[in-house]
Amino acid sequence: GENVEQHPSTLSVQEGDSAVIKCTYSDSASNYFPWYKQELGKRPQLIIDIRSNVGEKKDQRIAVTLNKTAKHFSLHITETQPEDSAVYFCAASSRNTGNQFYFGTGTSLTVIP
Amino acid sequence: ETGVTQTPRHLVMGMTNKKSLKCEQHLGHNAMYWYKQSAKKPLELMFVYNFKEQTENNSVPSRFSPECPNSSHLFLHLHTLQPEDSALYLCASSQDQAAGQYFGPGTRLTVT
Repeated sequence: GENVEQHPSTLSVQEGDSAVIKCTYSDSASNYFPWYKQELGKRPQLIIDIRSNVGEKKDQRIAVTLNKTAKHFSLHITETQPEDSAVYFCAASSRNTGNQFYFGTGTSLTVIP
Repeated sequence: ETGVTQTPRHLVMGMTNKKSLKCEQHLGHNAMYWYKQSAKKPLELMFVYNFKEQTENNSVPSRFSPECPNSSHLFLHLHTLQPEDSALYLCASSQDQAAGQYFGPGTRLTVT
């Protein structure tokens, strides 16, 4: 089955700096890669996703890049703000796994004002 | 957000009790999921339903019993739980494999 690894587990950045979170996956058939943000005491929320036919996707201050050859994808947050502080999860899925999503272990991001 | 709702939001139960968690999605999605989220652990997939059919049972103990009467409703029946089952139980739905999941607010379960 798929194995998704996520690094780092914790990340602290100064407000205004950039944050990068990386994930690797093992199943070359995986073709959909969403990212979720979970604030303390709240539900995970989808913030951005990328499909395997695209190498990069941006949405304002967040972007995701995908390297299919190396089987890794990354979340980039620019001009970080205190409200970006949360736990971020990456995930991967493929048509071979019947709608099952495989999650990374999460990255706790703290943005220091 | 009202796309995916869960009840109850908090539940305290003894090890001999029987209770049920309910999830409802109003998004017209075809797949529904139960996850367990414990402190300092990743999301653990428990069950997946596609079009009301269970497609995944991730080695979950039989004291957890899912039920999906239709594509909008999902239940998790609980009986004779253990203290280590205390966690946040999240329900989610998605249109299919290539679309993001939408999570409910979760049920915070405490087993005493």
